[in-house]
Amino acid sequence: EPEVTQTPSHQVTQMGQEVILRCVPISNHLYFYWYRQILGQKVEFLVSFYNNEISEKSEIFDDQFSVERPDGSNFTLKIRSTKLEDSAMYFCASSAEGGTRTSSYNEQFFGPGTRLTVL
Amino acid sequence: LAKTTQPISMDSYEGQEVNITCSHNNIATNDYITWYQQFPSQGPRFIIQGYKTKVTNEVASLFIPADRKSSTLSLPRVSLSDTAVYYCLVGTFAARQLTFGSGTQLTVLP
Repeated sequence: EPEVTQTPSHQVTQMGQEVILRCVPISNHLYFYWYRQILGQKVEFLVSFYNNEISEKSEIFDDQFSVERPDGSNFTLKIRSTKLEDSAMYFCASSAEGGTRTSSYNEQFFGPGTRLTVL
Repeated sequence: LAKTTQPISMDSYEGQEVNITCSHNNIATNDYITWYQQFPSQGPRFIIQGYKTKVTNEVASLFIPADRKSSTLSLPRVSLSDTAVYYCLVGTFAARQLTFGSGTQLTVLP
């Protein structure tokens, strides 16, 4: 069964450093997402990406964040200057285009996550 | 965006049927109801989705009354491995961002 993969599984960084989290979405999917989950809290939407551009983003996704699809398979989230409060589990997800009324709307397939620890 | 309300936690025993109810009083005409499951330190996983009446798949059933103001996820004969957080989400067909609430922590006991 195809799955979303993410690397690394755990990233430790110093405050103020840049980090890049990597994801390989399911190959025939066209929509890509990043979510985060601070320990013990809700899963929060960060950004969605389609056709090589951001289609939606949340208030959390400020200028410190950027996303990129550098090639045909990878999807990355960059945090330019990490803060302590960026410590969280970051999940990548992907979905097929649209969805129809006979299939799941926007069923998103999540990766296993990258645990980011900012010291 | 329709607000959802679910119990914070539920306990069950292996082999029992578990029903988790979600309240969404201000659901809109175009909204679908979707349930996701999340195990510790893993990403959420889609379980089931419906618009009205009853939907069943190999994992669960989803019951939606005619007024659609609530929905019930039914897990038949749960096992220890069904211990997870279950989220009820309500959103439009074209929605791209998923809005997760606090979910229901289901603990299955031996």
